[in-house]
Amino acid sequence: QVQLQESGPGLVKPSETLSLTCTVSGGSIGSYWSWIRQPPGRGLEWIGYVYNSGSTYYNPSLKSRVTISVDTSKNQLSLMLTSVTAADTATYYCAKDKNGGAFDYWGQGALVTVSS
Amino acid sequence: DIQMTQSPSTLSANVGDRVTITCRASQSFVDWVAWYQQKPGKAPKLLIYKASTLESGVPSRFSGSGSGTEFSLTISSLQPDDFAMYYCQQYTGYPWTFGQGTKVEIK
Repeated sequence: QVQLQESGPGLVKPSETLSLTCTVSGGSIGSYWSWIRQPPGRGLEWIGYVYNSGSTYYNPSLKSRVTISVDTSKNQLSLMLTSVTAADTATYYCAKDKNGGAFDYWGQGALVTVSS
Repeated sequence: DIQMTQSPSTLSANVGDRVTITCRASQSFVDWVAWYQQKPGKAPKLLIYKASTLESGVPSRFSGSGSGTEFSLTISSLQPDDFAMYYCQQYTGYPWTFGQGTKVEIK
């Protein structure tokens, strides 16, 4: 059973960089992995994905500020989002891609608040 | 971007009811659609992928259908555990996008 666990600071100051890590256990990291976020009380937004080769694709709405990477030796993927504002306050999820874009395993989510 | 418009936003129903949620895509030829259930404070759970394929372990009362621009999720007999938010998602074109959600509540 694949399990995903997000970790990282729960509070980030405006203009700084949000950094999260997702640790994958119970399965191979040989897949596509995405980050998805959900502002409080709102819907879901796909941020982008990384493949275990390191190839990535980002949502154009965030592309200039986002970096997603994978460390296969640690079974971890990471998310960096620069120049954050209050609009980036959300629960951030990592998720495993099942078959080209449907997500069958999700982390429990990490709430990140952007505030001074 | 392909916009996914869900309807209704809120659905009030009784246990045992048959309910249908619809998702309309802003562009044609959308083939790859998934449906998720989300409960408060929890991550979404995959129910349906490729528009109509039931995810392993999901009860058979859930079904998906549709093609092109119109997709639907049907719950054949609503159970107490089914009261939740539901989201559709397209993964035919980048960026992958979600509908705004449908809240299924007790009538």
